Amino acid sequence: DTAVSQTPKYLVTQMGNDKSIKCEQNLGHDTMYWYKQDSKKFLKIMFSYNNKELIINETVPNRFSPKSPDKAHLNLHINSLELGDSAVYFCASSQDEGNTIYFGEGSWLTVV
Amino acid sequence: SQQGEEDPQALSIQEGENATMNCSYKTSINNLQWYRQNSGRGLVHLILIRSNEREKHSGRLRVTLDTSKKSSSLLITASRAADTASYFCATDRGSNYKLTFGKGTLLTVNP
Repeated sequence: DTAVSQTPKYLVTQMGNDKSIKCEQNLGHDTMYWYKQDSKKFLKIMFSYNNKELIINETVPNRFSPKSPDKAHLNLHINSLELGDSAVYFCASSQDEGNTIYFGEGSWLTVV
Repeated sequence: SQQGEEDPQALSIQEGENATMNCSYKTSINNLQWYRQNSGRGLVHLILIRSNEREKHSGRLRVTLDTSKKSSSLLITASRAADTASYFCATDRGSNYKLTFGKGTLLTVNP
């Protein structure tokens, strides 16, 4: 069974559109994350949630809005997509701070 | 800001050889972790070493940590073609669930 699953895996969309990426973890973890990996493979945290509460918001534009309906889900909604948003977005989870992070397989977003 | 810096950026070796990757960081840490990313896939955790540990082993992996030099190394012994991947170090400073990743080392193991 997939521990951290995110959908869609590939997303091609036009500038200005709004899109969502969904993420679910079945590990029973309390903390979930969104990371962004750019074309140079640099991986940067965007958000983290602990028990549905926002812990980290790393100066991400307001166009990005995470939503955690319960601690097993953390969805990412992006408004008014821009070319620079093209990247791979990874959802992840961990039990506690400082522990192993389990990553999803990534969502490849291409904005044209 | 980026915490970890791996070097080399890319490493190409023959199957059976050992591969060593290094990671340097700037501020004090609680622990340091190494992850592997196969092309087109998510990151997979390899090993975690705490700030009070100096060396850790897991199978063919050996990780060292030198907090005085703010550096870590990952050694993969007897490499295999399947070890071809990008390897990232990540540091945890114990602040609000934030694990900071380096830019990674791309390891290519030629059969």
